[in-house]
Amino acid sequence: QQQVKQSPQSLIVQKGGISIINCAYENTAFDYFPWYQQFPGKGPALLIAIRPDVSEKKEGRFTISFNKSAKQFSLHIMDSQPGDSATYFCAAFLSGGYQKVTFGIGTKLQVIP
Amino acid sequence: NAGVTQTPKFRILKIGQSMTLQCAQDMNHNYMYWYRQDPGMGLKLIYYSVGAGITDKGEVPNGYNVSRSTTEDFPLRLELAAPSQTSVYFCASSYTGTSGSEQFFGPGTRLTVL
Repeated sequence: QQQVKQSPQSLIVQKGGISIINCAYENTAFDYFPWYQQFPGKGPALLIAIRPDVSEKKEGRFTISFNKSAKQFSLHIMDSQPGDSATYFCAAFLSGGYQKVTFGIGTKLQVIP
Repeated sequence: NAGVTQTPKFRILKIGQSMTLQCAQDMNHNYMYWYRQDPGMGLKLIYYSVGAGITDKGEVPNGYNVSRSTTEDFPLRLELAAPSQTSVYFCASSYTGTSGSEQFFGPGTRLTVL
């Protein structure tokens, strides 16, 4: 059973555009929602994360929007650049620790010039 | 700091062979993890360790074994390799197991079982 549903699986955006990746979760006990960025041939790296008591978090061009009532959260990449081309994973974290993290299936983003 | 290192980067195994995937970290992290990454499936936790001498199963442990004799090293052993174990394997570590402690990933090992 997939506890975190991520969409779309692939996304093509023009340079300067906004990339939006969505995730939905089922378990209301999740209390931490990180996003990871993974470049080809590399391991995932933490990009930005949010807790459910906050509706939005922004770091540079990256913003997480969180809707607790809808059990949805999304990653917005403003002014998308070719260097942002990577696979993005959302995840949901139970307070029991990283062994209880559930990852989304990933979104492959391609930013074209 | 080298962070989390993994060897080898690539490996091809025949069905029934065994091998050990090596993982080491130099950040003095207590927690270490092994994941597998399959297309369209996200990351699945195989085993994890909360400190030297302590390991526990994750979501998909069958066909794998681990040991943690030191804080730095966390090798993953595949016995009797099967085609279903074809995947990319990532090792990760964190100082604690809580969300306040960032999890760092290694570069991965791409394993093909034929």
